[in-house]
Amino acid sequence: DIQMTQSPSTLSASVGDRVTITCRASQSISSWLAWYQQKPGKVPKLLIYKASSLESGVPSRFSGSGSGTEFTLTISSLQPDDFATYYCQQYNSYSLTFGGGTKVEIK
Amino acid sequence: QVQLVESGGGVVQPGRSLRLSCVVSGFTFSSYGMHWVRQAPGKGLEWVAVISYDGSNEYYGESVKGRFTITRDNSKNTLFLLMNSLTSEDTAVYYCVKDPRRGGTVAGYSDNWGQGTLVTVSS
Repeated sequence: DIQMTQSPSTLSASVGDRVTITCRASQSISSWLAWYQQKPGKVPKLLIYKASSLESGVPSRFSGSGSGTEFTLTISSLQPDDFATYYCQQYNSYSLTFGGGTKVEIK
Repeated sequence: QVQLVESGGGVVQPGRSLRLSCVVSGFTFSSYGMHWVRQAPGKGLEWVAVISYDGSNEYYGESVKGRFTITRDNSKNTLFLLMNSLTSEDTAVYYCVKDPRRGGTVAGYSDNWGQGTLVTVSS
């Protein structure tokens, strides 16, 4: 299986901060990467697919980049609604795998 | 709007079986691949299985391969997950999840999630 490693596991930030989360794959996955946001007690929500394509309805402050083995999710200006846990997921092969998650907390 | 409603969760003893169901509405179920994804209490997401739009192809995560079976009944807009030989490691909320690609091979990610059903494996 392809292993997905996210960093950091926890991130403390303030409203208005620029936030970057990294996801590394154990082998190349081209651009077959998605990002999800999950708030406590809620289901995950798709933010980004194919590494950099913004899902319909997702605010433009979210962006994704990368290819191969290294990817980033950036929130350009953190909003109160963005405090949540973020997961990356690779879909390069039919053994799909998620990263361990990054919790974005209020500083 | 898209709705996915899981059922069938509960408390089950180790070694026993359980079948989850997911009834969907708001889209043409027979045109889309479907996944099951699970989340152990306080833990991250784990992909479990995927089935193609017509049921002709299915794939499983390593931890459930040989024990779980994903199926679908397109005439009833229903997805299933049969879970055998359950262990405490299978305790989780199980989500029914829609793949975004219409027809053909699945895309592999998820654009709509159900609310989940909790499976607790305990003696």
